[in-house]
Amino acid sequence: EPEVTQTPSHQVTQMGQEVILRCVPISNHLYFYWYRQILGQKVEFLVSFYNNEISEKSEIFDDQFSVERPDGSNFTLKIRSTKLEDSAMYFCASRKDSQGAGTFGSGTRLTVV
Amino acid sequence: RKEVEQDPGPFNVPEGATVAFNCTYSNSASQSFFWYRQDCRKEPKLLMSVYSSGNEDGRFTAQLNRASQYISLLIRDSKLSDSATYLCVVNRDDKIIFGKGTRLHILP
Repeated sequence: EPEVTQTPSHQVTQMGQEVILRCVPISNHLYFYWYRQILGQKVEFLVSFYNNEISEKSEIFDDQFSVERPDGSNFTLKIRSTKLEDSAMYFCASRKDSQGAGTFGSGTRLTVV
Repeated sequence: RKEVEQDPGPFNVPEGATVAFNCTYSNSASQSFFWYRQDCRKEPKLLMSVYSSGNEDGRFTAQLNRASQYISLLIRDSKLSDSATYLCVVNRDDKIIFGKGTRLHILP
């Protein structure tokens, strides 16, 4: 079964540093997403990406965050100047069309110290 | 008001029992609906899509009531392996919107 792949599985970074979280969506999918989940809390939408541009973003996705699809396969989330409260699990998801269910990667656990 | 609301539980249910979860959504423009399950510290995984006509997958039955903006999930003959958090998920425009989830513990 096709998978969404995320790397690294765990990243520890110092406050103020930049991190890049990487995702390889399913190859024939067109819609890409980043979500985060703070421990014990709900899965929160960050951003959706379609046709090489952001289609929607939440209020969480401020200037500290950016996304890129640098080539035909990778989809990255960059967090500049990380804060302690950025510590969370970050999930990438993709789907083939705008009505289908999303497939989620296994996540990157980001710990900011 | 939250866009997708669920009873957080936990529901503690003996093995073999039937359990039902409900979910309401606030935006009538919501277009498609799903139940996901999430195990502790794992990613959400699709359990089933939800259709107005109701749909069944083995021990699981899902139902959508668009008029009431209400989604349900029924689990029959529950197994220990059904213990997880069940997430009600609504699709609107380009967003996949999650409820907070309902925790289910199946007791031996």
